[in-house]
Amino acid sequence: EVQLVESGGGLLQPGGSLRLSCVASGFTLSSYEMHWVRQAPGKGLEWLTHSPGSGNTRYYADSVKGRFTISRDNAKNSLYLQMNSLRAEDTAVYHCARERILGGFGQGFDLWGQGTVVTVSS
Amino acid sequence: QSVLTQPPSASGTPGQRVTISCSGGSSNIERDYVFWYQQVPGTAPKLLIYTDNQRPSGVPNRFSGSRSGTSASLAISGLRSEDEADYYCAAWDASLSAWVFGGGTKLTVL
Repeated sequence: EVQLVESGGGLLQPGGSLRLSCVASGFTLSSYEMHWVRQAPGKGLEWLTHSPGSGNTRYYADSVKGRFTISRDNAKNSLYLQMNSLRAEDTAVYHCARERILGGFGQGFDLWGQGTVVTVSS
Repeated sequence: QSVLTQPPSASGTPGQRVTISCSGGSSNIERDYVFWYQQVPGTAPKLLIYTDNQRPSGVPNRFSGSRSGTSASLAISGLRSEDEADYYCAAWDASLSAWVFGGGTKLTVL
């Protein structure tokens, strides 16, 4: 089955760190650009960062720049999000999503994981 | 406040046609493709429209998208109860070097 499964969420205090994982099955991760998108309670979608299938250029949303780092291990078909200096406003469901690039153009985030919940509270 | 602006809500009765707008600017919608996502509360988002007006396999042709200038729109014809969901537009913003989403539109089928 083609799917993405996130894990690693939890409850932690402000200032803490957490590493989220996203395991891909049914397809080869290296063939896709991968993204992290979050959704705070009762709010809309917020894109955080992406990892190209090849190459090293990574972009981050201003809200997480300098605190979050995306990485991947294609051999393990896995994507990661290292989150440091966490704040209450980082409380959200974190989804990983894949994007196929065709002819240099993105074709949309066509597969999403169900998400993992991160709660930052004292 | 979102870079892309959507109406917070929309509604229609079964069988009607509903449109949802998405307003952006010169650094996003005017220069790049628009994508639409459907999210039933409590579930993961689903790609509905890609590259302005293309439907992924399995998405009914009742859903259509368009883009002109700094705006885009999603049209749903023959509205059905299962279309009740949140709808988000998205585009790459060249000034921010980031993907941006609209704030979402909650569609209610009356």
